[in-house]
Amino acid sequence: AQSVTQLDSQVPVFEEAPVELRCNYSSSVSVYLFWYVQYPNQGLQLLLKYLSGSTLVKGINGFEAEFNKSQTSFHLRKPSVHISDTAEYFCAVSEGQAGTALIFGKGTTLSVSS
Amino acid sequence: DVKVTQSSRYLVKRTGEKVFLECVQDMDHENMFWYRQDPGLGLRLIYFSYDVKMKEKGDIPEGYSVSREKKERFSLILESASTNQTSMYLCASRTGTVNTEAFFGQGTRLTVV
Repeated sequence: AQSVTQLDSQVPVFEEAPVELRCNYSSSVSVYLFWYVQYPNQGLQLLLKYLSGSTLVKGINGFEAEFNKSQTSFHLRKPSVHISDTAEYFCAVSEGQAGTALIFGKGTTLSVSS
Repeated sequence: DVKVTQSSRYLVKRTGEKVFLECVQDMDHENMFWYRQDPGLGLRLIYFSYDVKMKEKGDIPEGYSVSREKKERFSLILESASTNQTSMYLCASRTGTVNTEAFFGQGTRLTVV
């Protein structure tokens, strides 16, 4: 069965600092990987996704993620964060089989302060 | 744009009541999902449906049921609401192709008193 582990529940950083949010997954088959962001009192919004091809994926708002098959990881990065990036971030995995759901990690709260 | 609409943003219900949470999507998506979001626990899958009248249990189906009579609508039913079902409920939909993302509604914050 597939599962997702987000290694940090909270990540506090200062504005303009780089940040990495870590995600590891477990699956016995090929997977598709996603990062979502949730701003306060809002639904989830897709940041980026890995389907195939290049292992470095670029998303919205300057975020990028790297798929590492050997380490079963899909870490999210941003070279310089803004106050407005304060939100909760979720990593999700979908197995490459019809009729399967997206499985989410427990989330990482990113807090950016000045 | 894909739109997933949940019928209520906030609901307050009494213990023992039967509660219906409704979700409608406008993009002809085959798959629809209900998740529950709690602090520190992330999103946990309650049920999903990959076709009309078809459903699969997720990780935490106990105390819940679902109905999908039409492709665009997926309902979550709490047969007898309990205080431990106080939570944020999120509906999502996606196409039948596995390499696509899910689109989410704004969520329903349910309080059971």
